[in-house]
Amino acid sequence: EPEVTQTPSHQVTQMGQEVILRCVPISNHLYFYWYRQILGQKVEFLVSFYNNEISEKSEIFDDQFSVERPDGSNFTLKIRSTKLEDSAMYFCASSEALQGTSGSVVRETQYFGPGTRLLVL
Amino acid sequence: LAKTTQPISMDSYEGQEVNITCSHNNIATNDYITWYQQFPSQGPRFIIQGYKTKVTNEVASLFIPADRKSSTLSLPRVSLSDTAVYYCLVGDNNSGYALNFGKGTSLLVTP
Repeated sequence: EPEVTQTPSHQVTQMGQEVILRCVPISNHLYFYWYRQILGQKVEFLVSFYNNEISEKSEIFDDQFSVERPDGSNFTLKIRSTKLEDSAMYFCASSEALQGTSGSVVRETQYFGPGTRLLVL
Repeated sequence: LAKTTQPISMDSYEGQEVNITCSHNNIATNDYITWYQQFPSQGPRFIIQGYKTKVTNEVASLFIPADRKSSTLSLPRVSLSDTAVYYCLVGDNNSGYALNFGKGTSLLVTP
């Protein structure tokens, strides 16, 4: 069964450093997402990406964050200058994009990767 | 987005059927009901999705009454490995891309 993969599984970094989290979405999926989960808290939406641009982003996704699809398979989340409060599990997800009956694009079920545990010291 | 309410926690013994009910009184006409499962330190895993009546797959069943103001996830004969957090999400696939996870129901299965 196809699955979303993420690397690295764990990342430790110093405050102020840049980190790049990598994801390989399921191959025929066209919608990509990043979520995060601070220890003991809810899974929070960060950003969605479709057709090489951001579709939606949350208040958490400020100027310190950026996403990119550098090639045909990878989807990355960059945190420019990490803060202590960025420590969390970061999950990538992907979904198919199907044509709806009205011509709009229908976003299908999101499938999540195993996550990257980021620890900022 | 429709607000959902589900129990914070549930306990069960191995081999029992577990039913987790979610309330979503403000569900909209275009909204689907989706359940995810999450094990500690893992990503949420899609379990089942439905719009009305009953949906069944190899993992679970989802019962949705006619008014769609609630739904029940049914896990037949749970095992220890079903210990996880279960999330009920309600939304329209055509609008809004963010999945809005609540606190979920923490299910503990014991021998």
